[in-house]
Amino acid sequence: KNQVEQSPQSLIILEGKNCTLQCNYTVSPFSNLRWYKQDTGRGPVSLTIMTFSENTKSNGRYTATLDADTKQSSLHITASQLSDSASYICVVNRGSTLGRLYFGRGTQLTVWP
Amino acid sequence: ETGVTQTPRHLVMGMTNKKSLKCEQHLGHNAMYWYKQSAKKPLELMFVYSLEERVENNSVPSRFSPECPNSSHLFLHLHTLQPEDSALYLCASSLGQTDPQETQYFGPGTRLLVL
Repeated sequence: KNQVEQSPQSLIILEGKNCTLQCNYTVSPFSNLRWYKQDTGRGPVSLTIMTFSENTKSNGRYTATLDADTKQSSLHITASQLSDSASYICVVNRGSTLGRLYFGRGTQLTVWP
Repeated sequence: ETGVTQTPRHLVMGMTNKKSLKCEQHLGHNAMYWYKQSAKKPLELMFVYSLEERVENNSVPSRFSPECPNSSHLFLHLHTLQPEDSALYLCASSLGQTDPQETQYFGPGTRLLVL
């Protein structure tokens, strides 16, 4: 069964600290993996995208890694800010059919001052 | 902003009401999508339109009726909904088959409450 599992479900950290969010997937075949950030009351916004041959991708303080062999990805946030408080969603694309995306439930990150 | 707008942003309706959600994209995309986002659950794909033709209907109850009059506009017509239909309804758009990475751009969503 094609699934995307994220952990932890929620996370609270202090401003300035680093954190790492995890994503494990069983989706096959694999085209790409994307991390989205969803602020409360907003739609998801793409942070990073990685294809099979890429194992790391950065976007400012966000760094995503991908291990296609173990089907795991992580999103590392450095020097967290209050504005990082959001839900982070891992999405895997099979690439075979338009709209065939598999979404995780997301990790709810709260950054406290 | 992402160039995808949705109206209304919030909607409260009774089970016997009929209402419509509207989505408009200003990105020149060819594909548009409706998603349902319920608390603690992954986004659920409802409908996909490519060049105004419906290409995906993910076993959605008939009380949800999509309409895509052109590549820039997408509607979701609602009638005789149930309380469990309360959720955030997200619209998205993408270039479609010409984009192998299938980058989808999401609107802000409509928060729907069915009483």
